[in-house]
Amino acid sequence: QKEVEQNSGPLSVPEGAIASLNCTYSDRVSQSFFWYRQYSGKSPELIMSIYSNGDKEDGRFTAQLNKASQYVSLLIRDSQPSDSATYLCAVGFTGGGNKLTFGTGTQLKVEL
Amino acid sequence: EAGVTQFPSHSVIEKGQTVTLRCDPISGHDNLYWYRRVMGKEIKFLLHFVKESKQDESGMPNNRFLAERTGGTYSTLKVQPAELEDSGVYFCASSPNFRGGASGANVLTFGAGSRLTVL
Repeated sequence: QKEVEQNSGPLSVPEGAIASLNCTYSDRVSQSFFWYRQYSGKSPELIMSIYSNGDKEDGRFTAQLNKASQYVSLLIRDSQPSDSATYLCAVGFTGGGNKLTFGTGTQLKVEL
Repeated sequence: EAGVTQFPSHSVIEKGQTVTLRCDPISGHDNLYWYRRVMGKEIKFLLHFVKESKQDESGMPNNRFLAERTGGTYSTLKVQPAELEDSGVYFCASSPNFRGGASGANVLTFGAGSRLTVL
């Protein structure tokens, strides 16, 4: 069983809409949660980090963490065509040292 | 500030040959990581250096893989001899020292990756 799971997509949303990306993780004590955006052939780029339950907002991005339900989500408001990319969820597990466990990523397509 | 640099961007070799990948982390970052993404799979951890010391190499697939970080600056990852299943994208990432607490911990900056194709 995978430790971090994401729907591979593609998730298609119209320009200006809210894109909702979800990630679930396995039953382990988890510590840190990250969303990376990756354009094709480019490096994964950190866009959000979250460490405690609740919402964290940064511009058009909101990360939501619910440890009891073991999920973390990313909302992108007013989606733009430039948001089209693969979004990677990564989790740092307690006792896992400093390594991150990634999901396979969700491909987002924002259509004009 | 220069980011994490990886070389080569793409390498095509035949089974049994040797390939060496190089990573230059962000200057001053003591932590350096290697990850790998095999086609269709998730990015997986290979190993973690703190300066020149291997902190965690639990993700290294087998003894055909050798990582070094002489002097605690750049790192190399050698695959010898390469097998077909070694094909994938090898990412390097770096992070600064932890300043305590969860905030800032594990915030990695990734390079663009080195794509390895073994024929």
